[in-house]
Amino acid sequence: QKEVEQNSGPLSVPEGAIASLNCTYSDRVSQSFFWYRQYSGKSPELIMSIYSNGDKEDGRFTAQLNKASQYVSLLIRDSQPSDSATYLCAVNGNSGYALNFGKGTSLLVTP
Amino acid sequence: SQTIHQWPATLVQPVGSPLSLECTVEGTSNPNLYWYRQAAGRGLQLLFYSIGIDQISSEVPQNLSASRPQDRQFILSSKKLLLSDSGFYLCAWDRAMNTEAFFGQGTRLTVV
Repeated sequence: QKEVEQNSGPLSVPEGAIASLNCTYSDRVSQSFFWYRQYSGKSPELIMSIYSNGDKEDGRFTAQLNKASQYVSLLIRDSQPSDSATYLCAVNGNSGYALNFGKGTSLLVTP
Repeated sequence: SQTIHQWPATLVQPVGSPLSLECTVEGTSNPNLYWYRQAAGRGLQLLFYSIGIDQISSEVPQNLSASRPQDRQFILSSKKLLLSDSGFYLCAWDRAMNTEAFFGQGTRLTVV
């Protein structure tokens, strides 16, 4: 069973701080990595995708990938209360179709 | 642009009743289609995926089934619901292997 592991949290950060969310995966041959944001009662929304080692930045979000360590992270700069949500890490399945999801990390940004 | 529609948004069904959830995608052709379930406090569990009309792969053996009668239509069904079928059902699509998936708004199913 290919696994994606995340700390369930909650991770609490003050408004304006950097939130750091981490994810590890077990399948060494995984190629595609994604971060989704899910507000309570809503469906997941894609935030970032990353396919190569290193950093990828999009606005306040930075995804980091280290395939050697099988580690993906998401940094949220200048965190806002509206960023409070559950963040899901996803990795492509071994068939290439569908995604394996972690259980998510709950983020709370306090004013 | 592409959109995905899923309905109904909420559903309360008695144990033993049938189920039919429908999902359609607009603005693209030949999408890969997926059904996931998210139970309370648990991660997203892949139920079925389809890479083409009438091509269905099942990931979890259970009393659910899926069908894809048209290119952009994906249906999740059950003949007799169990209490354990309660959860948040999500339809998703992607363009190709190893690409990002986009989700519908979900159906919250409560079996009573």
